[in-house]
Amino acid sequence: DSGVTQTPKHLITATGQRVTLRCSPRSGDLSVYWYQQSLDQGLQFLIHYYNGEERAKGNILERFSAQQFPDLHSELNLSSLELGDSALYFCASTLRSTTDTQYFGPGTRLTVL
Amino acid sequence: GQQLNQSPQSMFIQEGEDVSMNCTSSSIFNTWLWYKQDPGEGPVLLIALYKAGELTSNGRLTAQFGITRKDSFLNISASIPSDVGIYFCAGHRTGGTSYGKLTFGQGTILTVHP
Repeated sequence: DSGVTQTPKHLITATGQRVTLRCSPRSGDLSVYWYQQSLDQGLQFLIHYYNGEERAKGNILERFSAQQFPDLHSELNLSSLELGDSALYFCASTLRSTTDTQYFGPGTRLTVL
Repeated sequence: GQQLNQSPQSMFIQEGEDVSMNCTSSSIFNTWLWYKQDPGEGPVLLIALYKAGELTSNGRLTAQFGITRKDSFLNISASIPSDVGIYFCAGHRTGGTSYGKLTFGQGTILTVHP
């Protein structure tokens, strides 16, 4: 158990819908990273937050957004969902933004029908 | 998106055999990490390497940070059935737009026959 929690574990929805994925980092960790894992693209970095502020963006679509709240949990919002958005979404946390060792949560499996 | 070149893509071995996998990149990384992922779970950190040339062990696992900082390998000795899973290498660069971002290899699927 990495100490990172993610909810829900599974999510099934329809095209065009909007969903919110939630992540709670390890106790004391200030940084949260979001990743998407699909069969054809592998593990891709989406976005990084540190202590409530966005620090870096990766291959994140404009339809996707994220935020980190004062209690340090983070939410990833996916809107206007398409079939290709079906994937595993992971968050990871670290103590400081410069810490290299990222601890991953169990993931949310999103299925868009 | 950019990925590291990880090989082999898959391995089928007998219990007790040693395993070796590696990652290469055209770019320099400051840190190399090796993760294992079981089906339906998140990646679990196995070994972290922070210095070029560093050789680090974790039980039956040994990993090295290449001296060029563009490659790394992972060895598993005396494999057991619970070693089954997908192994990922990941690289980290500090500074600039890469700040905090991990770049992952495509993964090596390991199957161990008892």
